[in-house]
Amino acid sequence: SQTIHQWPATLVQPVGSPLSLECTVEGTSNPNLYWYRQAAGRGLQLLFYSIGIGQISSEVPQNLSASRPQDRQFILSSKKLLLSDSGFYLCAWNRDRIYGYTFGSGTRLTVV
Amino acid sequence: AQSVTQLDSQVPVFEEAPVELRCNYSSSVSVYLFWYVQYPNQGLQLLLKYLSGSTLVKGINGFEAEFNKSQTSFHLRKPSVHISDTAEYFCAVSDNYGQNFVFGPGTRLSVLP
Repeated sequence: SQTIHQWPATLVQPVGSPLSLECTVEGTSNPNLYWYRQAAGRGLQLLFYSIGIGQISSEVPQNLSASRPQDRQFILSSKKLLLSDSGFYLCAWNRDRIYGYTFGSGTRLTVV
Repeated sequence: AQSVTQLDSQVPVFEEAPVELRCNYSSSVSVYLFWYVQYPNQGLQLLLKYLSGSTLVKGINGFEAEFNKSQTSFHLRKPSVHISDTAEYFCAVSDNYGQNFVFGPGTRLSVLP
């Protein structure tokens, strides 16, 4: 069966520091991969998605970037964090959007 | 493009009472519909989905939802809730090409003892 792993679970980082969140999927090949963010009081915001290695689509301009160095690995990064980057980050995968998503357990990022 | 409305941002209900969480959508094409649940500090978990066929869809944890095309609704129901159902619930819609997948803003269900 397929599983999705996301880490770390929680992270407290100072403003201006770098960020790297990692997500991996097991048990499938060539998944579609996604990064979502939930900010306090706001819904789910799609940040990036990838349909293959090296293929990244950005949904919103921001301080973050994403990379897909391997088929089942998706990384969310920032060179310098802002206070507004605080939130709950969720990685997800699917084979086709029409069937919905399978989400990871999330990373709670607090920028201080 | 699709959009999703969840009119109730918060729904308090007593344990063992029935609950309905409302979801309405707008779309110019055929859609697929989903309900997700998010427990505190966890990812989202699929409760149920409607792709085609019977408009009454049964999901996990005793939840069900009914697709009403004429009213463009996909309300979630449970006849008797438990404390453990306390969570945030998200309705979502996708067009049948998979090009647009939109989540609603969520409804926070609080089950009171």
